[in-house]
Amino acid sequence: DTAVSQTPKYLVTQMGNDKSIKCEQNLGHDTMYWYKQDSKKFLKIMFSYNNKELIINETVPNRFSPKSPDKAHLNLHINSLELGDSAVYFCASSPLSGRAAQYFGPGTRLLVL
Amino acid sequence: RKEVEQDPGPFNVPEGATVAFNCTYSNSASQSFFWYRQDCRKEPKLLMSVYSSGNEDGRFTAQLNRASQYISLLIRDSKLSDSATYLCVVNMNSGGYQKVTFGTGTKLQVIP
Repeated sequence: DTAVSQTPKYLVTQMGNDKSIKCEQNLGHDTMYWYKQDSKKFLKIMFSYNNKELIINETVPNRFSPKSPDKAHLNLHINSLELGDSAVYFCASSPLSGRAAQYFGPGTRLLVL
Repeated sequence: RKEVEQDPGPFNVPEGATVAFNCTYSNSASQSFFWYRQDCRKEPKLLMSVYSSGNEDGRFTAQLNRASQYISLLIRDSKLSDSATYLCVVNMNSGGYQKVTFGTGTKLQVIP
């Protein structure tokens, strides 16, 4: 199926741990994004990559490091997890940077204990 | 003023009713506009793009008012399955690149 996929779907971990979330899209899109949706349901952009290059970094702590090995993949690595990192993380992709609609992955529900 | 603002609701409407949501945006240079729908514990999904001349897709009508800087979504003949949170999305030029901003969403509950 053509889609945006994320793994894992659920992630429960202890404070201080390091974890990664993977994202892949097979839609042939050039641009990929990471969003964080907190308990208040506000969806906030974290990063945007266009053809493997970082184009948006929205005041995200440097504990968060995105990596794009190719334009179909955008992974998110988080160091030293904190309680406030608990949220749902969505990956998305679009054909053009910011000019076209985005297609979202199913989300990764991260709970930091 | 927030970049993109929506009334959080909830809007509780009976089946068959017509309901409208507005979304205001602050940057007059905004270029692209969309409505997304998000069901509980699911990802946002594109509902429709919003074009300058307004556009319709079945029971859904989207309008753009550039002068007053808002977009609207009208849902006619509401169905129970329309219950969801509706997010407006605005694309704007920010620091030389295109930035996508989501509103906080308007919750719709259609009741039998």
